[in-house]
This record gives sequence, structure tokens and C-alpha cells, in this order.
Amino acid sequence: QVQLQLSGPGLVKPSQTLSLTCAISGDSVSSNNAAWNWIRQSPSRGLEWLGRTYSRSRWYNDYALSVKGRITINSDTSKNQFSLQLNSATPEDTAVYYCARGGLGEWEPLYYFDFWGQGLLVTVSS
Amino acid sequence: QSALTQPASVSGSPGQSLTISCTGTSGDVGAYPYVSWYQQHPGKAPKLMISEISNRPSGVSDRFSGSKSGNTASLTISGLQTEDEATYYCASKRVTTGLEVIFGGGTKVTVL
Repeated sequence: QVQLQLSGPGLVKPSQTLSLTCAISGDSVSSNNAAWNWIRQSPSRGLEWLGRTYSRSRWYNDYALSVKGRITINSDTSKNQFSLQLNSATPEDTAVYYCARGGLGEWEPLYYFDFWGQGLLVTVSS
Repeated sequence: QSALTQPASVSGSPGQSLTISCTGTSGDVGAYPYVSWYQQHPGKAPKLMISEISNRPSGVSDRFSGSKSGNTASLTISGLQTEDEATYYCASKRVTTGLEVIFGGGTKVTVL
């Protein structure tokens, strides 16, 4: 059974970097059958996909337009985990953040999320 | 980014069937076989109920089924049970300047 354990600070100051890590058990971050995603949820924005990383002989990243330029998703194969960095945080980034495993087809991601982390509320406030 | 359109709420009595719609455009729902549905109970992470329009993951009750016609996808719950009371979200692939995922605004299902 795949399990995802999210960790990181629950409070970030405006203009600082929001950093979260998702530790994977029961699968591998470098699996050829999975993409590793970050998704957030807030009352104002609903569920919002932020981006993903996956490995296919090399690493690929896709990012949502809404956060492109501020977001970086990295993988750490030695620790079997992946991370989110969101620069220049604003109160609009306050949300429950989730990491999630997505399907990966032969040619592209499969755009569904079958395992989710527990969620972490991150508040951006001074 | 505009969310996919779902009704805010639907309700039904135990044993009844109900259907939740998810309306997008020819650039997302109508263009790809990549509609998925999620069930979320309060304070919990979403749970995948349907992938790729109509595929049911192992362990999900066969009372849940999905379909698509044109730019609208649908989730049907048959034999409604009290534990089905939750918020349901649809999601789809959307191509803008990149490959993205777009969610619906969510539908609260109430079992009367």
C-alpha cells in the first residue's frame, strides 16, 4: 500500500518561501508508472493542482500557469521523497497542501490521483 | 483558471440514484479521456472514485459509475447510502501553455 507523509512548517511569513516535503513508502519516486503531484485546497480557490514531477530516463516537471515562475518541485531518490518550494508567498497561498501519486501512461501522465497524503494546513501570515 | 462547473449540492434518499454533472469545454472535458472523480469527507483527503471517465479503482463500490458526453462528464451513485454523504469533485486534463489539471468546484451530496 502506498503511503505519503507530508511535512513542513504550518506558518510562513509573507515574501518567504513555502517549503514542503512528501516522503513515499510503498512505491518509488523514480517509478516508471507514477507521477508525483502537489495539490492545494482553500475556500477561495477550491482544489488547485500545482505541479508534478516524474521520471522517464530523465526527470520531467509540469507546473500550473497560476504558480509558474514561483514553483519548484524536486525529487530526492536517496530519501525516496519529493518536495515543493513556492517562492514569494502571499496570504493567497494559505491552503491545505496535499501531495498525491498520479498515474503515468506510456506517453504522458494519466491525470488522476490514486493516493494522497494527509494534508497540511499552511498559513501565510506575519 | 476557470474551474469545471458542478452543481453546488444534490440530495437523495437512501436507496435512490443520483447523478452529478461536471461541465467543461472542448479544451478539457470534451477533448480528452482524462476525467476523474473524487470523494471528500470533512477533514479528510480526497479519495479517487473514478479515473479516465469510467474506470473504477479496486476497492471502490460498483454503485459508483462515470460517463461522458461531449463537454459534460457525469458521476452516478446508485443505491445511495448514508456513508456516501460527502463532497464530490471532478477533474480533467486541460492544455493551455502546458499540460495541466483542472478541478470542479465540488458538489455536496446530502443523504436525506
